[in-house]
Amino acid sequence: QQPVQSPQAVILREGEDAVINCSSSKALYSVHWYRQKHGEAPVFLMILLKGGEQKGHEKISASFNEKKQQSSLYLTASQLSYSGTYFCGTDLNFGNEKLTFGTGTRLTIIP
Amino acid sequence: GAVVSQHPSRVICKSGTSVKIECRSLDFQATTMFWYRQFPKQSLMLMATSNEGSKATYEQGVEKDKFLINHASLTLSTLTVTSAHPEDSSFYICSASGSRTSGTDTQYFGPGTRLTVL
Repeated sequence: QQPVQSPQAVILREGEDAVINCSSSKALYSVHWYRQKHGEAPVFLMILLKGGEQKGHEKISASFNEKKQQSSLYLTASQLSYSGTYFCGTDLNFGNEKLTFGTGTRLTIIP
Repeated sequence: GAVVSQHPSRVICKSGTSVKIECRSLDFQATTMFWYRQFPKQSLMLMATSNEGSKATYEQGVEKDKFLINHASLTLSTLTVTSAHPEDSSFYICSASGSRTSGTDTQYFGPGTRLTVL
């Protein structure tokens, strides 16, 4: 079952913050976050492996809730380069490596 | 970071012909490679998983005789779309994961191949 992401789309002004959610109906082993720009391949942002884990990468961070069925991606002080579609990739089984990607969130940053 | 290449980046072919797409991991050995298809404004849909030296595992609804996958080495996987039809037009993306110094199972994506079948 495909994870559901919210919101589907969001438009922000440069410098504003955004939160993107990824919800699964099943418990997850790990969550992977990617950003894809139009016509390009997805670019890996980060992976979360443990319930309750939080990670940060410059002004982009993410959390993975204790019940391991939801993850959120936080973008602070957004930059124009943050524009793109964000996907969460979810892994249901340890060692399987197969990811099921969420519905996607299109983020547009305007000056 | 890990580099995955794909070739060709864009291909236009006539209906009924076959098209081969190559996916290479350039700086690491990919024990597993994945093939995805992505329609405009939609998510990535996994087609198949391939491991070096063994048969690919296809997702439900994906015709294995139409989408032939060969994972010939730890750095190369190929996807052949046989007897392509206009409905096969899509963006095909490969990803690779494998043993690296970091030890993660992160998938690194190739730049994708835009297939247009006339």
